[in-house]
Amino acid sequence: AQSVAQPEDQVNVAEGNPLTVKCTYSVSGNPYLFWYVQYPNRGLQFLLKYITGDNLVKGSYGFEAEFNKSQTSFHLKKPSALVSDSALYFCAVRGYGQNFVFGPGTRLSVLP
Amino acid sequence: DVKVTQSSRYLVKRTGEKVFLECVQDMDHENMFWYRQDPGLGLRLIYFSYDVKMKEKGDIPEGYSVSREKKERFSLILESASTNQTSMYLCASSERRGRDGYTFGSGTRLTVV
Repeated sequence: AQSVAQPEDQVNVAEGNPLTVKCTYSVSGNPYLFWYVQYPNRGLQFLLKYITGDNLVKGSYGFEAEFNKSQTSFHLKKPSALVSDSALYFCAVRGYGQNFVFGPGTRLSVLP
Repeated sequence: DVKVTQSSRYLVKRTGEKVFLECVQDMDHENMFWYRQDPGLGLRLIYFSYDVKMKEKGDIPEGYSVSREKKERFSLILESASTNQTSMYLCASSERRGRDGYTFGSGTRLTVV
C-alpha cells in the first residue's frame, strides 16, 4: 500500500532563513512524487515533481526538493523564506498506475 | 490557462438535504476526482472516474455518490447531508497517464447545520 508521512504539523521559520518541510513515503516500484501548496480557502497548487532523472528538482517560487531513494524521502526546501511562503504544504506520492496518496499537510509560518 | 471550476465556494445546507457539488474542467482530461479535506487528515479520496459513465469508490465513499454524464463534468452527491459531512471538498482532474499530477479546483466549503 502507498503512504505518505509529513512528520511535522507546523514549521516556523524566520524570514530570510532557509526552510525545510519533510516528507517520507512508501510505494511499490518507482515513485512519482509531488509537492503542492494551499493558500487559505483555495485549492491545491502544483509546486514541483519528481518522476525520474536528477534527484534535485527545482520548482515554482524558488522551491526545490531532493529525492532520496535510500531514505524514501522527498523534502521540500527553499534557501531564503518569504512571509508570502506561509501556507499549507502537501506531499503526494503515487506508484505506476495508482492514484495519488496525499500526506496530512504541514503548515509553514514564516515570521517577519 | 487550464481550469477546474467548482460551482460554489461556500454552501450551507440543512441535515437531510440532498446536496449536489458540481465540477467542470476544460482540459479534456480523462480522470476526475473528488476529495474532502479536514484538518490533520489531509485529503481523502471519495470517488474517482477514469472515463465518462465510469466511477470507482475511493477511501471514504459512504454517504456519497457521483455522476459523470459528460467528460468535462463530475458531480458529487450527498444523498442525505449530515453534520459530519461538513468539510472542504476539492475536485481535481488529470490526464490518463498522470505524469503531470492533478489540477485542483478552488474548493467548496460545505457546512451542514
